Amino acid sequence: KAGVTQTPRYLIKTRGQQVTLSCSPISGHRSVSWYQQTPGQGLQFLFEYFSETQRNKGNFPGRFSGRQFSNSRSEMNVSTLELGDSALYLCASSLIGTATDTQYFGPGTRLTVL
Amino acid sequence: QKEVEQNSGPLSVPEGAIASLNCTYSDRGSQSFFWYRQYSGKSPELIMFIYSNGDKEDGRFTAQLNKASQYVSLLIRDSQPSDSATYLCAVNTDKLIFGTGTRLQVFP
Repeated sequence: KAGVTQTPRYLIKTRGQQVTLSCSPISGHRSVSWYQQTPGQGLQFLFEYFSETQRNKGNFPGRFSGRQFSNSRSEMNVSTLELGDSALYLCASSLIGTATDTQYFGPGTRLTVL
Repeated sequence: QKEVEQNSGPLSVPEGAIASLNCTYSDRGSQSFFWYRQYSGKSPELIMFIYSNGDKEDGRFTAQLNKASQYVSLLIRDSQPSDSATYLCAVNTDKLIFGTGTRLQVFP
């Protein structure tokens, strides 16, 4: 079974621009979660989608948004990029996203904001 | 107080030794506990999960959970240089919260 895929793998943007990242979950998985990983803050939860609905959200500004499609693929968008948004963005999928459900991570998208 | 705390390390152990990684969490309502391994430049990969108090063994890895003490640990027996990585503890209540990870170095 194919794993979680993320595109693109690397992105370079400038301040003020916006960016869209894509995630395709493992086949059959309906829950997709997004995380931001930086050296200073570690892995931080952004949001979780299940059946095209945002079910949970972390403490990030409204510039960070996401959506999920009927095939469970998900996108996240960051508008008005800031230097501090430079990070590894990780997507993880699980079957239905319950507390005991295991999340499997994709390879990540490395975003650099100049 | 951070929700999930880990010693950042590095924890250095010789090849063949037992590596002991520890994690404490603050939310008593936490239901499930995960250990992920992350190599430099790579994404986290699941090692083990544990839901109930006690020990759970999988090959060279043993996870230990003590909900009364809000403590979870990972033991790696017969440590190998290939085990050198950052180990992330994650705790799930309504979302998965990660510790900042412990860097493990296994030297020959």
